[in-house]
Amino acid sequence: GAGVSQSPSNKVTEKGKDVELRCDPISGHTALYWYRQSLGQGLEFLIYFQGNSAPDKSGLPSDRFSAERTGGSVSTLTIQRTQQEDSAVYLCASSSGGPHSPLHFGNGTRLTVT
Amino acid sequence: KNQVEQSPQSLIILEGKNCTLQCNYTVSPFSNLRWYKQDTGRGPVSLTIMTFSENTKSNGRYTATLDADTKQSSLHITASQLSDSASYICVVSARNAGNMLTFGGGTRLMVKP
Repeated sequence: GAGVSQSPSNKVTEKGKDVELRCDPISGHTALYWYRQSLGQGLEFLIYFQGNSAPDKSGLPSDRFSAERTGGSVSTLTIQRTQQEDSAVYLCASSSGGPHSPLHFGNGTRLTVT
Repeated sequence: KNQVEQSPQSLIILEGKNCTLQCNYTVSPFSNLRWYKQDTGRGPVSLTIMTFSENTKSNGRYTATLDADTKQSSLHITASQLSDSASYICVVSARNAGNMLTFGGGTRLMVKP
């Protein structure tokens, strides 16, 4: 498809389990972003990729969170030993990388930790 | 500290009416200001992007203004429709490595028939 694709769209997991969230950006987009959005709240920055490198990972809330991007395309966000406070919608966005380029968002993965 | 404040937090208007949403920011050095629309359960969609030299930009019934001196922006919606019900997010980009984005908390708009 032409847009940013995220999978799964919904994920329910038990506390303590690891989860992997996937993002397929728009083809050719060099910049990729991960955000977290709790219910009724604004977007919280997690990490930014330019190509395969992550020049800014300042938003990752703890060392349980990690992300990688391979081939300058697909990215995975991994949360280890999930906690209930990790429950949120995780949004991925990509852009062509120019300073005035719009971000194109996926529809997110809704993570629920029980 | 870079901040983006939006007001009001929520707004209810009748279909066909106009409304204006506000955004104040303290991001520096300024690169551009963006408005996004986020429907419930969906990712945000870009409405406008304005650079320092632009003080107004339209996208259909949406018109954004920017006053870079006072660091204020507004989003005006004309002749509202039920489909305008969404959250509207103001985002300011800093002119630095990585073009760091600062997000406002959004204004939740409900348009009633």
